[in-house]
Amino acid sequence: GDSVTQMEGPVTLSEEAFLTINCTYTATGYPSLFWYVQYPGEGLQLLLKATKADDKGSNKGFEATYRKETTSFHLEKGSVQVSDSAVYFCALKGNTNAGKSTFGDGTTLTVKP
Amino acid sequence: GAGVSQSPSNKVTEKGKDVELRCDPISGHTALYWYRQSLGQGLEFLIYFQGNSAPDKSGLPSDRFSAERTGGSVSTLTIQRTQQEDSAVYLCASSLMGQGEETQYFGPGTRLLVL
Repeated sequence: GDSVTQMEGPVTLSEEAFLTINCTYTATGYPSLFWYVQYPGEGLQLLLKATKADDKGSNKGFEATYRKETTSFHLEKGSVQVSDSAVYFCALKGNTNAGKSTFGDGTTLTVKP
Repeated sequence: GAGVSQSPSNKVTEKGKDVELRCDPISGHTALYWYRQSLGQGLEFLIYFQGNSAPDKSGLPSDRFSAERTGGSVSTLTIQRTQQEDSAVYLCASSLMGQGEETQYFGPGTRLLVL
């Protein structure tokens, strides 16, 4: 079945550091890929998504590129801020079973001033 | 407009009791999802509704768990004879039509503690 493996945390960075959170997936067909973020005390919300190979999703300075050849969707940001401290979830939604989304275990990011 | 709402926000119950969790999706969203998030874990899919029908119940962990959706809107997740391992945050999400590329909009969750 479908699965998502993301980089284990927690990750602690200084402000303005470069961020990478790795995400790889296993799925049949051509899934859509997502990064969701959960800020402290808030619900999950979409950060960015990509729906086909080589698409790049971007939002709030974050980027991720759908790499079918490596089955990856790594999240990157060039310069993190304290306000980026949150839990980040990689997810996929397959087209063969449109109802079900599969999520990774989440990566906790803490950015220190 | 209004987002996904869930009630109660917190629920403490004794082992063996039944609980009902409620989800109000975004108006007009035909697809509704239930997930469970245990401490330090990712989201575990439970069930998916398209309208009032549930084409995918594959994630329900046991026959103590059931869910229904009426009028294509509100959904209720029922856990019978609760066990301590049921303690988790139960999340509801909705999307416009349930297609693969759609964003899911999540509610704030119900935090369930079974003593």
